Amino acid sequence: EDQVTQSPEALRLQEGESSSLNCSYTVSGLRGLFWYRQDPGKGPEFLFTLYSAGEEKEKERLKATLTKKESFLHITAPKPEDSATYLCAVQALNNDMRFGAGTRLTVKP
Amino acid sequence: DVKVTQSSRYLVKRTGEKVFLECVQDMDHENMFWYRQDPGLGLRLIYFSYDVKMKEKGDIPEGYSVSREKKERFSLILESASTNQTSMYLCASSLLINEQFFGPGTRLTVL
Repeated sequence: EDQVTQSPEALRLQEGESSSLNCSYTVSGLRGLFWYRQDPGKGPEFLFTLYSAGEEKEKERLKATLTKKESFLHITAPKPEDSATYLCAVQALNNDMRFGAGTRLTVKP
Repeated sequence: DVKVTQSSRYLVKRTGEKVFLECVQDMDHENMFWYRQDPGLGLRLIYFSYDVKMKEKGDIPEGYSVSREKKERFSLILESASTNQTSMYLCASSLLINEQFFGPGTRLTVL
């Protein structure tokens, strides 16, 4: 069965303290891996799509990378406005989509 | 920019009531989805639709039905609301097999 596990569940950082969020997955053939940001009480906002191992995408302080078993979301010099829950989702070749439970990031000034 | 709108941000209903949640997207997407999101459980797919009048069950369809009469509109129906259906409901749309774009969500409370 396709599974997506995100770690840690929660992460507290000081402003400027870089770190990484992990998304481990098992899927019967990967079509794409997606990262979303979700603010409290709002719908998820699309960030990145990764399709194959070795691929990287960047947006401001965020960089997503992909291997055959996991993806990382690297946050460089975070700011308080980066505080949110970050969701990872995996789409299999049969188009089934599985979401992880998310990592709740808090960045303190 | 893709815009997905949902009919209500907050909704309070009583047990046994029939509940309609509506979702509209303005980007001519083929696919539309309904999820519920609960703490610790993540997003769980209730139903999805890949074309007008077409629907497919997701992981947790029990107690729900859907309607897609027009391409831009996808409705979720709770035939007889129960307290265990208290949740955040999220609608999404996508073009074929690409990333999904989400609406703002409806927080439903069933008393």
